[in-house]
Amino acid sequence: QKEVEQNSGPLSVPEGAIASLNCTYSDRGSQSFFWYRQYSGKSPELIMFIYSNGDKEDGRFTAQLNKASQYVSLLIRDSQPSDSATYLCAVKGSTLGRLYFGRGTQLTVWP
Amino acid sequence: NAGVMQNPRHLVRRRGQEARLRCSPMKGHSHVYWYRQLPEEGLKFMVYLQKENIIDESGMPKERFSAEFPKEGPSILRIQQVVRGDSAAYFCASSQPGEIRNEQFFGPGTRLTVL
Repeated sequence: QKEVEQNSGPLSVPEGAIASLNCTYSDRGSQSFFWYRQYSGKSPELIMFIYSNGDKEDGRFTAQLNKASQYVSLLIRDSQPSDSATYLCAVKGSTLGRLYFGRGTQLTVWP
Repeated sequence: NAGVMQNPRHLVRRRGQEARLRCSPMKGHSHVYWYRQLPEEGLKFMVYLQKENIIDESGMPKERFSAEFPKEGPSILRIQQVVRGDSAAYFCASSQPGEIRNEQFFGPGTRLTVL
């Protein structure tokens, strides 16, 4: 059973702070890692993807991947109230195309 | 460039009826995936299709559920004889063909309510 675990949350941070979201996965053969943002009642929106060990930055978002530890994280700098959403970690396994999702971490950024 | 399209956005069915959910992938995408999200739960994979082929249906219940992606037209997820437990949001995602790294982009979803 391939599992993706996220810190359960909810996570609450003040505006302007750094929000840190974490995810671990069980399948060592996993090759691709994704972070989706989902607002209440809406569909998941892809915000970051990472394939190689290390950091990947895109604007206020930084994804970090450590394959040896089977760990992927998302940092949101200068958090804004509009970042308040559920963040889903998704992992693509070593075969076929399906994504395995964590249950999500609910983030609230308060002004 | 239109994104992934799904219809209907909301669907209400009575127990025992059939539900048909449609998905048109993004332009240039030939891979389609269906996921289900139950209230307060994560997204669960159901089926992965390419044109005229089911690649992986390991997440789909063996009975009452079927999916297709014909040569022409949208992908269809069909649920026969719906039960209340089928009430959920059903999302379709699409990706480009080729590498395993390809990102999946989601449609707006179909919210199915079974009365």
